[in-house]
Amino acid sequence: TQLLEQSPQFLSIQEGENLTVYCNSSSVFSSLQWYRQEPGEGPVLLVTVVTGGEVKKLKRLTFQFGDARKDSSLHITAAQPGDTGLYLCAFNDMRFGAGTRLTVKP
Amino acid sequence: GAVVSQHPSWVICKSGTSVKIECRSLDFQATTMFWYRQFPKQSLMLMATSNEGSKATYEQGVEKDKFLINHASLTLSTLTVTSAHPEDSSFYICSAGRQGTDTQYFGPGTRLTVL
Repeated sequence: TQLLEQSPQFLSIQEGENLTVYCNSSSVFSSLQWYRQEPGEGPVLLVTVVTGGEVKKLKRLTFQFGDARKDSSLHITAAQPGDTGLYLCAFNDMRFGAGTRLTVKP
Repeated sequence: GAVVSQHPSWVICKSGTSVKIECRSLDFQATTMFWYRQFPKQSLMLMATSNEGSKATYEQGVEKDKFLINHASLTLSTLTVTSAHPEDSSFYICSAGRQGTDTQYFGPGTRLTVL
């Protein structure tokens, strides 16, 4: 049973559009990680957030950790085809959400 | 730094045979390693937590006698799928935690196909 809910499960957008994906839990965690996974490969860590309300930016990606440390969001500005992949969140107990499969069409 | 390798990267075996998958942290010591299974189009499902020098902790529903985990050193954990069956075909991924941090580093995965 997944303890983390991610939404949306699937997202298909055109190049240049903005998007936000969400990760929610009923539990409080000390840290949260966002990963991106491409087919046939292991997940690659994008960011770790640890402080409630924390915002981190990684080029066109903006990550936010909720004040209560139960939820997080990932916002991508001006998406590019290279952003295509499975985006996964995980809390510090290393259980993953179901993931958001993003497709960015050129 | 923080590279994790897995071997083999893919394996095809006959039903009933056993398959061993290795997970190595190449440039750091990992007291804890995690094993995951991922079916097509799905997320990673945690199978077990592997602790160096002690027994692994298995998630509910994962048969410990079927998925044998050994973490004999600070840089190596192995997962053995015993008496594999076609339903065990999956993508198996490990991760290793660097001591003193919450960050996990993932291996590239092993694709197991049981005929």
